[in-house]
Amino acid sequence: DTAVSQTPKYLVTQMGNDKSIKCEQNLGHDTMYWYKQDSKKFLKIMFSYNNKELIINETVPNRFSPKSPDKAHLNLHINSLELGDSAVYFCASSRDSLLEAFFGQGTRLTVV
Amino acid sequence: KNEVEQSPQNLTAQEGEFITINCSYSVGISALHWLQQHPGGGIVSLFMLSSGKKKHGRLIATINIQEKHSSLHITASHPRDSAVYICAVSDNAGNMLTFGGGTRLMVKP
Repeated sequence: DTAVSQTPKYLVTQMGNDKSIKCEQNLGHDTMYWYKQDSKKFLKIMFSYNNKELIINETVPNRFSPKSPDKAHLNLHINSLELGDSAVYFCASSRDSLLEAFFGQGTRLTVV
Repeated sequence: KNEVEQSPQNLTAQEGEFITINCSYSVGISALHWLQQHPGGGIVSLFMLSSGKKKHGRLIATINIQEKHSSLHITASHPRDSAVYICAVSDNAGNMLTFGGGTRLMVKP
């Protein structure tokens, strides 16, 4: 059973489109994260949610909006996609913020 | 200068060699994480530690809080250890926030 699953794994879309990436965890964790890995493989945190509440929102354009319908899901919606949004996006979860995180397999987003 | 620095950036070793990857950080932390990213892209958490030393199989992680330094050691390295190893630190609230640039390890048979 996949602990943290992201869909889709690959996403190719045109500039200006709106797209969503879904993340679900079946571990019963309270905290979920979105990270962005750029072309140089550098990981940066984007958002962190604890029990459906946003607790971290790093400097991310307003075009990115996380949505947490329940504790097990943290979806990432991106409006008006730009070329610079091309990256691999990772979802992760942890039981609480002080314990190790489990990562999804990543979503490779390519904006053309 | 990044708040979390790793060295080396790239490392090539022969199978069986002892490997050390270093991580230095300049911020206050509650914990330090070592992650492994395989060529396929998936990320796995190897260790989370806030003091001392942890061992799992052939992997050993140490941290020196006073010196703000951690090392990841791999004993008897194997080609399947080839991956990118990433150091990350959690802030005092425990959120995994800041990542090193990664160390790309290749172990040759």
